[in-house]
Amino acid sequence: ELKVEQNPLFLSMQEGKNYTIYCNYSTTSDRLYWYRQDPGKSLESLFVLLSNGAVKQEGRLMASLDTKARLSTLHITAAVHDLSATYFCVVTSGSRLTFGEGTQLTVNP
Amino acid sequence: DAGITQSPRHKVTETGTPVTLRCHQTENHRYMYWYRQDPGHGLRLIHYSYGVKDTDKGEVSDGYSVSRSKTEDFLLTLESATSSQTSVYFCAISVAGTYNEQFFGPGTRLTVL
Repeated sequence: ELKVEQNPLFLSMQEGKNYTIYCNYSTTSDRLYWYRQDPGKSLESLFVLLSNGAVKQEGRLMASLDTKARLSTLHITAAVHDLSATYFCVVTSGSRLTFGEGTQLTVNP
Repeated sequence: DAGITQSPRHKVTETGTPVTLRCHQTENHRYMYWYRQDPGHGLRLIHYSYGVKDTDKGEVSDGYSVSRSKTEDFLLTLESATSSQTSVYFCAISVAGTYNEQFFGPGTRLTVL
């Protein structure tokens, strides 16, 4: 059974600071996604990571994938309040997705 | 938003009542999914469909059934709702050619009293 673990689950940070969210998964997978969810809203796809060493960047967010270590990271650079949301790491098993619990990020002024 | 709508968006019902949630898509995607979201669990797959009349169970399928008689509609039925089925339900579609990336509907908040 595929398991996906994120840490931390809760993250409170100040604007302008950097931080990394970690995602470990238990079995081999061929792709990994990061999604964002704002309170009371649906999920929005941020990144699709397809291969070992893949790195994707969008604005202040950068995601990477190490398939050998079964580890993905989501790095936040110079955080701003608009990044406050819950971030999910999602790993595929065939056509199914397995979600991590999510990291609830709060960026404080 | 990948053309996905869900109805109703909010529902309050009583234990033992049957409930049907509808997911509608406008772009003829083959794969459709139903998830539930609960605090501390992320999203968990209930059932999914890979074509008209073709469905399969997910990890939390007990107490739920689904039907897909048309490409555009995927129905989730709670035959006899229980309080443990109080949750937010999301429908998703998988878009071929985008590495099976899934796109989610707006969600249905269901409360079972």
